[in-house]
Amino acid sequence: DAGVIQSPRHEVTEMGQEVTLRCKPISGHDYLFWYRQTMMRGLELLIYFNNNVPIDDSGMPEDRFSAKMPNASFSTLKIQPSEPRDSAVYFCASSTTGDTEAFFGQGTRLTVV
Amino acid sequence: GQQVMQIPQYQHVQEGEDFTTYCNSSTTLSNIQWYKQRPGGHPVFLIQLVKSGEVKKQKRLTFQFGEAKKNSSLHITATQTTDVGTYFCSRNNNDMRFGAGTRLTVKP
Repeated sequence: DAGVIQSPRHEVTEMGQEVTLRCKPISGHDYLFWYRQTMMRGLELLIYFNNNVPIDDSGMPEDRFSAKMPNASFSTLKIQPSEPRDSAVYFCASSTTGDTEAFFGQGTRLTVV
Repeated sequence: GQQVMQIPQYQHVQEGEDFTTYCNSSTTLSNIQWYKQRPGGHPVFLIQLVKSGEVKKQKRLTFQFGEAKKNSSLHITATQTTDVGTYFCSRNNNDMRFGAGTRLTVKP
C-alpha cells in the first residue's frame, strides 16, 4: 500500500479564497483523522470519521471549515473563505480502529496571504 | 476531549546524554501511543502501551506506562543526532488526541 496520500503538498492562496485539501486513507482503515499543526497550538484534532461518518467535529475551529468523506477512499477538508490565520500544516491520518497505530500522510502546508 | 500534558516542551542535550519525556493525564487511560516527528516530516508511530506498569524497549528507547495508567514516559539512552525531532504521546479513546510534544535537539 502507498500509505496515506494527501494533496496538494503545498498550497498558497489569497485571503478569501476557497481551499480544498484531499486525503486518501489506507485501504481497509475504518478511521480517518484530520489534524492541524502550528507552532503555537501543536497538533490539533479537527475532526474524525468512522466508516465514512463524522463522529466528532468539535475541533473544527469555525464554520468556515468543513470536512466530508463521501466514500471509504476519499476525504476532503475545505476552508471557505480562507484567512491568514489558517496557515498551518494539515495532516490526514488513518487507522484500522480508533485506538491502534495511526498512519499519517505527508501533510499539506497551507499558506494564506 | 481530555488531552494529555507533556513535559518538557523543549530539551537540548549533548550527544551521548540521556533524554526523558513525560506524559500525564488526569484520567485513567485505556492505552497510550508514542510518535516521533522529524523536522519537516510527519508523525510516525513508535509504540503502544496498554497494560498497567508495562515497559517496552526498542534499542535505546524505553517506554513505560504507569501503574495507575495515568502517566507514561519515553527514555532515550545515549542520544544520537538521529534522535532529533519532536516526540508526541497520544491518548486514544477512538479520537487520538496528542500532547503538545517534546522537541529534542542534540548537539554533536
